[in-house]
Amino acid sequence: GAVVSQHPSWVICKSGTSVKIECRSLDFQATTMFWYRQFPKQSLMLMATSNEGSKATYEQGVEKDKFLINHASLTLSTLTVTSAHPEDSSFYICSARAGAQETQYFGPGTRLLVL
Amino acid sequence: QKEVEQDPGPLSVPEGAIVSLNCTYSNSAFQYFMWYRQYSRKGPELLMYTYSSGNKEDGRFTAQVDKSSKYISLFIRDSQPSDSATYLCAMSERGGYQKVTFGTGTKLQVIP
Repeated sequence: GAVVSQHPSWVICKSGTSVKIECRSLDFQATTMFWYRQFPKQSLMLMATSNEGSKATYEQGVEKDKFLINHASLTLSTLTVTSAHPEDSSFYICSARAGAQETQYFGPGTRLLVL
Repeated sequence: QKEVEQDPGPLSVPEGAIVSLNCTYSNSAFQYFMWYRQYSRKGPELLMYTYSSGNKEDGRFTAQVDKSSKYISLFIRDSQPSDSATYLCAMSERGGYQKVTFGTGTKLQVIP
């Protein structure tokens, strides 16, 4: 099956610093990648959709200047949380989809703790 | 009203039981239906993927879609402790780059 990796798996940072999370599709080319955030006991909340080579589309209420997304290649997308604050602490999950296929394959997630 | 409604549980069953997980939805345009399993602190894993109405079986798992009632189900036969996880239903309108809407997930515990 398709494999999506994320790095790092967990990160602790100080308030005000920036954190970059990588999402890679290991065995397929992902023309579309998605970034989700998940708070405890809640479902996945889509933050943004990124297509390779173009700007990401952000969901309503998600600050594009705070959550920078880059999808520079067909196998890599990055999410940078800029000037992180404690309320940004969450579980960030990416997923990838290849072309016209419907199924998304999820990464294992990155747990972010901002102190 | 949420687009997708799913009972959060938790649902506790004895090992070997048949488990029924359900979701209802309000958007009649949904055509693709998925079930994901998510273990604690892990990303969701795709279990079943169906298009339109009908049944689909894969091993111990059976997915049912009733578009007329806007109701989907996932049945797990001979449940095992390793099935203990949160199960998320998900659905989308059509192919291409349409976003997927997730339910909030049902937490299942299979007791040995």
